[in-house]
Amino acid sequence: ETGVTQTPRHLVMGMTNKKSLKCEQHLGHNAMYWYKQSAKKPLELMFVYNFKEQTENNSVPSRFSPECPNSSHLFLHLHTLQPEDSALYLCASSRGTGTQYGYTFGSGTRLTVV
Amino acid sequence: QKEVEQNSGPLSVPEGAIASLNCTYSDRGSQSFFWYRQYSGKSPELIMFIYSNGDKEDGRFTAQLNKASQYVSLLIRDSQPSDSATYLCAGTFSNSGYALNFGKGTSLLVTP
Repeated sequence: ETGVTQTPRHLVMGMTNKKSLKCEQHLGHNAMYWYKQSAKKPLELMFVYNFKEQTENNSVPSRFSPECPNSSHLFLHLHTLQPEDSALYLCASSRGTGTQYGYTFGSGTRLTVV
Repeated sequence: QKEVEQNSGPLSVPEGAIASLNCTYSDRGSQSFFWYRQYSGKSPELIMFIYSNGDKEDGRFTAQLNKASQYVSLLIRDSQPSDSATYLCAGTFSNSGYALNFGKGTSLLVTP
């Protein structure tokens, strides 16, 4: 399998549930990212990992907890979410975090919080 | 405050025309800019990047960067209905760890 793979594609969860989103990249990249995409808003950067070390946390609420066990895998653990957290969550990877590297995005997880 | 601004559109152009998509940014510490295309229900895909002032051409696409005026543009020549999508402008900024910051995107509709 190639590219950036995200699972699940769709997720419906209650506000008291705990779930995890998974991202895997097969590109040999060293940096991975979580973005949130809501209607009428720009993509919002959530977390950045470079060589599996977190380098940026963009003031994300603690109900979102990232995990990066190695450079190929990235998780986003979710708990006690709010309805306003419903959005498309996109994972991306890049060769590095320098300014010349474009990102490759996964297909995203469409999250609905009920 | 780093911001990337785009007109949300929709921008409608006839098939075969040139589509011009524009983007402005507020941070003079910017480094590089990227254009992504996102079809409805799909993830963004990279079209071009540019980091030097001037024009950069790739097939039917031309990216233009003017750092003094803080704007970036994307021209699509010979527009096709398959170019209908949302185009996202993104920039890297020195005060945000160089992670990509995105605009809201411009919706382009190419009519047959």
